[in-house]
Amino acid sequence: NAGVTQTPKFQVLKTGQSMTLQCAQDMNHEYMSWYRQDPGMGLRLIHYSVGAGITDQGEVPNGYNVSRSTTEDFPLRLLSAAPSQTSVYFCASSYHPWDTQYFGPGTRLTVL
Amino acid sequence: SQQGEEDPQALSIQEGENATMNCSYKTSINNLQWYRQNSGRGLVHLILIRSNEREKHSGRLRVTLDTSKKSSSLLITASRAADTASYFCATDGAQKLVFGQGTRLTINP
Repeated sequence: NAGVTQTPKFQVLKTGQSMTLQCAQDMNHEYMSWYRQDPGMGLRLIHYSVGAGITDQGEVPNGYNVSRSTTEDFPLRLLSAAPSQTSVYFCASSYHPWDTQYFGPGTRLTVL
Repeated sequence: SQQGEEDPQALSIQEGENATMNCSYKTSINNLQWYRQNSGRGLVHLILIRSNEREKHSGRLRVTLDTSKKSSSLLITASRAADTASYFCATDGAQKLVFGQGTRLTINP
């Protein structure tokens, strides 16, 4: 099993550009989530999904969209990148939100 | 607002000593989890303790949970250089898992 994969590993955007961060898991997990981590900080929840077709907002959802058309994939879209979105983004999955979370390796995003 | 808050924010000890970090949370939980993050990497699950458990061990790790005080502690015994990392607690609530800001642990040789 590959576990949780994220692409790309690194990305540089200009202000106003849009992009999609990919996240996929092959563990048949129902619960998937996106976090951002700023330097020296903890993880802040952006969006989460409890199953295909169901998504909800976390703590810091503004500027991001998600969709969950399949169990395996949970892409995160930046609509119009801003320097404040410079961060490391982590995707995680589990069977339930209260279970052990499996994290991807992260995407390091810089917005100029 | 974050559910769990770790204390201290940073901890520096000598190799071989024990390290204790604490987590406080605000609302009722099903479980509390502890994770480790090595610099620049994703988080790795360490231990999960259920709300009806008071103590749990895993190797050199010991976790306690006091639901009356809404707090948990993580003890790492006989620390090693490889334990240098950030440690996060995570609490569940309303179908989502929320992390604290973490404790940065440095083990000095």
